[in-house]
Parts: sequence; structure tokens; C-alpha cells
Amino acid sequence: DGGITQSPKYLFRKEGQNVTLSCEQNLNHDAMYWYRQDPGQGLRLIYYSQIVNDFQKGDIAEGYSVSREKKESFPLTVTSAQKNPTAFYLCASSPLDSRTETQYFGPGTRLLVL
Amino acid sequence: AQSVTQLDSHVSVSEGTPVLLRCNYSSSYSPSLFWYVQHPNKGLQLLLKYTSAATLVKGINGFEAEFKKSETSFHLTKPSAHMSDAAEYFCVVRGTYKYIFGTGTRLKVLA
Repeated sequence: DGGITQSPKYLFRKEGQNVTLSCEQNLNHDAMYWYRQDPGQGLRLIYYSQIVNDFQKGDIAEGYSVSREKKESFPLTVTSAQKNPTAFYLCASSPLDSRTETQYFGPGTRLLVL
Repeated sequence: AQSVTQLDSHVSVSEGTPVLLRCNYSSSYSPSLFWYVQHPNKGLQLLLKYTSAATLVKGINGFEAEFKKSETSFHLTKPSAHMSDAAEYFCVVRGTYKYIFGTGTRLKVLA
């Protein structure tokens, strides 16, 4: 089945620790995105990538880093510089070209701070 | 720049009654608009999308939305609510490289 997988489903972070969230897609989409979701705030864009080895900061990139070494993979690292990381993280992908194309979402990872 | 405003953060309806979730948009060009649904602790699922074809768009699970350029609105409706419709709904407009999300409307369905 085609789709987007995220792992783990739940992730616990200790103070000062970096953690990495995995996102893989087999839809052959060029563009991939990371969002953070907090209650009552909708989805906020962290990073996006339109092509391998290239990515752009979104609206709330501070304290996060990404890589795009393969078309199907777009891991997100939450660094120790992110002081309030507790949230639900969603990965998405879409075809690159037309403005009309749909985003497809993974099931999400919930990050909690110990 | 594009933006969306969801006019209600919470909506409650009785099972079997109509659903109306309101969304206004702002766009400097003809927009692409989407409605997504999210059940608790899940990812987002596309309900329907408007891409400058028919102004009345039919989606999954009996939902539909009407694009009204004069009112800059894209409201989501369903004739008869079901308990399984209880979820959070997001209106989205596509920008040049990004998607802009509304803050969401939580739909509660009362038995």
C-alpha cells in the first residue's frame, strides 16, 4: 500500500537530549513537510523540502533540523535548543508541481518531555 | 498572501441534523482549497478539495463544500450528522510552496 509512515508513535525526550522523528513515504512525491500541532493552534510548518538535498525553513524552525538525503525520507531532529517540544508532529508529502495537488499525511508522532 | 479563517472553534449538533462548518479565505489569486478531518491522535485525511472546476465540491462520507468567490467562503456541510463525524476539521488554502491551515473546528455530535 502506498502511504506515509512515521515512527515512533510516542517518543520521550530527556532534558538536553536530541531526538529524531522518522518519516518515510512511498508515494514518489517530491515535496515533504513537517508540522507541529498544539491544541487550539492548528498546524504550524516547521520545515519543508521540494527536492533531495534541499529544504527550507517554515514558520517555526528554531530548535529543529532536517535532512533530505533520499526522496522517500525526511527525518526531523528536535534539538535541545527547542525548549518546549511537547507536541504532536505530523509529516506530509505532496507532488511538487501544481498548486492544486493534495497533501497526504502520516499518522503522527507524539513527543513528550520527561 | 493567502490565509484562512475558521469562524467557529467548536460546533455541536445532534445526530441526524445538518452540519455547517464555516471557512473564509483570503487569496491574491484563484485559490486551491481543501478540507481535512482529524480524529483523535491520528493524521489528517482529505475530505474534499476545490481546484477551480465546479464550485460545489463533493467529498467523502457525505460531505460537500461550496466555493463562493463573492463571499470568499468555502463552508463545509453535511445533511445529516453521524456519531462517527465527531472530529476536528481543518480548512486549508494552498500557497506557492506551502499549505496554510486554519486553526480547526472541533465537531461534537450529540446522541
